[in-house]
Amino acid sequence: SQKIEQNSEALNIQEGKTATLTCNYTNYSPAYLQWYRQDPGRGPVFLLLIRENEKEKRKERLKVTFDTTLKQSLFHITASQPADSATYLCALPRDSGGGADGLTFGKGTHLIIQP
Amino acid sequence: DAGVTQSPTHLIKTRGQQVTLRCSPKSGHDTVSWYQQALGQGPQFIFQYYEEEERQRGNFPDRFSGHQFPNYSSELNVNALLLGDSALYLCASSLAVRPYGYTFGSGTRLTVV
Repeated sequence: SQKIEQNSEALNIQEGKTATLTCNYTNYSPAYLQWYRQDPGRGPVFLLLIRENEKEKRKERLKVTFDTTLKQSLFHITASQPADSATYLCALPRDSGGGADGLTFGKGTHLIIQP
Repeated sequence: DAGVTQSPTHLIKTRGQQVTLRCSPKSGHDTVSWYQQALGQGPQFIFQYYEEEERQRGNFPDRFSGHQFPNYSSELNVNALLLGDSALYLCASSLAVRPYGYTFGSGTRLTVV
């Protein structure tokens, strides 16, 4: 069955540095991968989607890479700020990913940006 | 433009009871998915509705059922509640035609006592 692994331990980063979060998956060849941000008591908020034929995608201070050979995605936040502190979730489509499939989520990585 | 609206925000039920949770999708979205999120875990997919039909289903028992109405709003029903059903229930809406970021509601916090 599909398995997604994210570093479940909290990641502490100093303000201004680049935070890098990892998402590894097994038993799967997804057509795309998504990253979400979740704050306590709130629903996840969509950040980025990267397709299997894209190596890298950027949005403002965010950058996502997708290595289908390693079965890994890296999520980077540059010039990190305390407001970036949250849990970040990696998600893959449950099926072939041709359309709006249901998602399988990792457990998330809790990111703490210290002033 | 309102996003996804869920009701109620909090709910306390007794073991064995039944519960109905409601969701209004983001304007323009036609697909609704439901997720269960236990504390410290990622959301777990329950099922997805499109054109008033269940299109996909996760590994949840038949006690979990749903419905989608012609206006795309949706309900999640859980029968014979167990203590383990206590969780945050999230509704997400999207467009069916292409992969797209989902819009999530803030969820309904269900506590079973």
